[in-house]
Amino acid sequence: GNSVTQMEGPVTLSEEAFLTINCTYTATGYPSLFWYVQYPGEGLQLLLKATKADDKGSNKGFEATYRKETTSFHLEKGSVQVSDSAVYFCARRQGNTPLVFGKGTRLSVIA
Amino acid sequence: DVKVTQSSRYLVKRTGEKVFLECVQDMDHENMFWYRQDPGLGLRLIYFSYDVKMKEKGDIPEGYSVSREKKERFSLILESASTNQTSMYLCASVLAGTGVHEQYFGPGTRLTVT
Repeated sequence: GNSVTQMEGPVTLSEEAFLTINCTYTATGYPSLFWYVQYPGEGLQLLLKATKADDKGSNKGFEATYRKETTSFHLEKGSVQVSDSAVYFCARRQGNTPLVFGKGTRLSVIA
Repeated sequence: DVKVTQSSRYLVKRTGEKVFLECVQDMDHENMFWYRQDPGLGLRLIYFSYDVKMKEKGDIPEGYSVSREKKERFSLILESASTNQTSMYLCASVLAGTGVHEQYFGPGTRLTVT
């Protein structure tokens, strides 16, 4: 089937630590891949995306690379800040079909 | 600035009441969606619509219905609210197409059924 699996949280890091949130997907063909972020009390907003193999999406210091060979789209940031505390969702979309989301990973960054 | 708005941020209803959640987008998007978000379960798709008057069941449609009479508005209806429908409800919209477009979300409605 078509699904997205991301690492379970919560993840707690100290400020300036390196962040990785793993995401893998299953799909027939080549979906578009997304990371969405949900800050406390808000709806989801797009963080970054990649639409074909080997594309790298980046925004606000976050990066993720579309890896077809490992069907992965891991989210990374070199130095997290307290303001990055949020819930992060990996998602895939293929053609004109609904987004399929992972279950979300809660990140807490402490000063 | 693009926008998806939802009629209420917080709502408290009694068991058995009929509940309407309204969503409006101003981006002329064809596709609209309703999700519910629960701790540990992520986002689950309730219903979606690709055009006016059209609707499709998502993963958890039981206990819900929808209405799309105008392109910009997509309503979620709880015919007879139950306590297990207490949740955060998120509306979203996106351009139809090849799947590369950003999907935009409303701020959510936190519904409590007592």
